[in-house]
Amino acid sequence: KAGVTQTPRYLIKTRGQQVTLSCSPISGHRSVSWYQQTPGQGLQFLFEYFSETQRNKGNFPGRFSGRQFSNSRSEMNVSTLELGDSALYLCASSLDGQGVTDTQYFGPGTRLTVL
Amino acid sequence: AQKVTQAQTEISVVEKEDVTLDCVYETRDTTYYLFWYKQPPSGELVFLIRRNSFDEQNEISGRYSWNFQKSTSSFNFTITASQVVDSAVYFCALSEESSGDKLTFGTGTRLAVRP
Repeated sequence: KAGVTQTPRYLIKTRGQQVTLSCSPISGHRSVSWYQQTPGQGLQFLFEYFSETQRNKGNFPGRFSGRQFSNSRSEMNVSTLELGDSALYLCASSLDGQGVTDTQYFGPGTRLTVL
Repeated sequence: AQKVTQAQTEISVVEKEDVTLDCVYETRDTTYYLFWYKQPPSGELVFLIRRNSFDEQNEISGRYSWNFQKSTSSFNFTITASQVVDSAVYFCALSEESSGDKLTFGTGTRLAVRP
């Protein structure tokens, strides 16, 4: 079974621009979560989507948004980019066992550099 | 609030040595899950193990073993006879039942295994 895929793998943007990152979960997985990894803040939870609805949200500004499609694929968007948004963005998918915390499997990440 | 502490920032060992990575967690939930992930230089987080709060049995998988002790809120990870391929950053993570699949990560321990 194919793992979690993320596109693009690398991205360079300038301040003020916006960016959209894509994530395809493992086949059959219905929950998708996003995390930001930076040297200073470590791994931080952004949000989680299930059945096209945001189910949980981390402590990030409204410039960070996401969505999930009916096939469970997910996108996250960052508007008005700031230098501090430079990070590795990781997507994870889980089966979602209805009330049981599932194991999350991660993709390779998208490395975003903001100049 | 949930919190995960990995006090060891970096560990360096010589191949074939045993090494233990420490993880201490804080949570108010009675039902929670603990995880270990490995992050090689490629960046992808690789799932190693998942434990729920009601299962304190230690687990061994090949050269890897985990020691879960609720009394000390610790979930330590031991690699026996380390190999160069074990070099990576290892993350301990916590998920509370009340927070769904959201993972709170420790700051990670960078393990370098020298030949």
